[in-house]
Amino acid sequence: AQSVTQLDSHVSVSEGTPVLLRCNYSPSYSPSLFWYVQHPNKGLQLLLKYTSAATLVKGINGFEAEFKKSETSFHLTKPSAHMSDAAEYFCVVGSGANNLFFGTGTRLTVIP
Amino acid sequence: SQTIHQWPATLVQPVGSPLSLECTVEGTSNPNLYWYRQAAGRGLQLLFYSVGIGQISSEVPQNLSASRPQDRQFILSSKKLLLSDSGFYLCAWRGQGVETQYFGPGTRLLVL
Repeated sequence: AQSVTQLDSHVSVSEGTPVLLRCNYSPSYSPSLFWYVQHPNKGLQLLLKYTSAATLVKGINGFEAEFKKSETSFHLTKPSAHMSDAAEYFCVVGSGANNLFFGTGTRLTVIP
Repeated sequence: SQTIHQWPATLVQPVGSPLSLECTVEGTSNPNLYWYRQAAGRGLQLLFYSVGIGQISSEVPQNLSASRPQDRQFILSSKKLLLSDSGFYLCAWRGQGVETQYFGPGTRLLVL
């Protein structure tokens, strides 16, 4: 069965410093992987997705994620945090069927 | 382009009262539709999904039900709300043959 683990429930960074949000997934021969962002009291917005093309995936708002099969990881990064990046981030793995499996989320705080 | 709507945005209901939340999608045909619940401080829990009119699959036993009376309309209902039904309810859609799901703005439900 598919599963995903977000290693940090809360990450704090200073504005202008790099962001790293960690995600590991259960092994699969060809996973689909996603990162979504949720601002307070809002729906989820797709940041980026990996579907077995390039291992480095670029998303919106300067975010990117690297698929590493040997580490079963799909960490989300951004070179320089902005105040507007403060939100909850969800790592998600697709099962190839109807379901997506969501991580428990990482809350990103950006300190001015 | 496709858009997804949910209403109401916020709802406060007494215990034991009925519930009806509506979700509609525009700009696509025959979407797969999903209802998720997000309890405070927790990840997303898939409640129901539908692959077509009148076709509903339930993921967890509960006092909620779902219906799909039209191709792009998905309704979440309850006959008697419980305190534990409080949460943030998200509707999502995806196109046939793709895994990416797109989320609505959500409904905040508070049961008192």
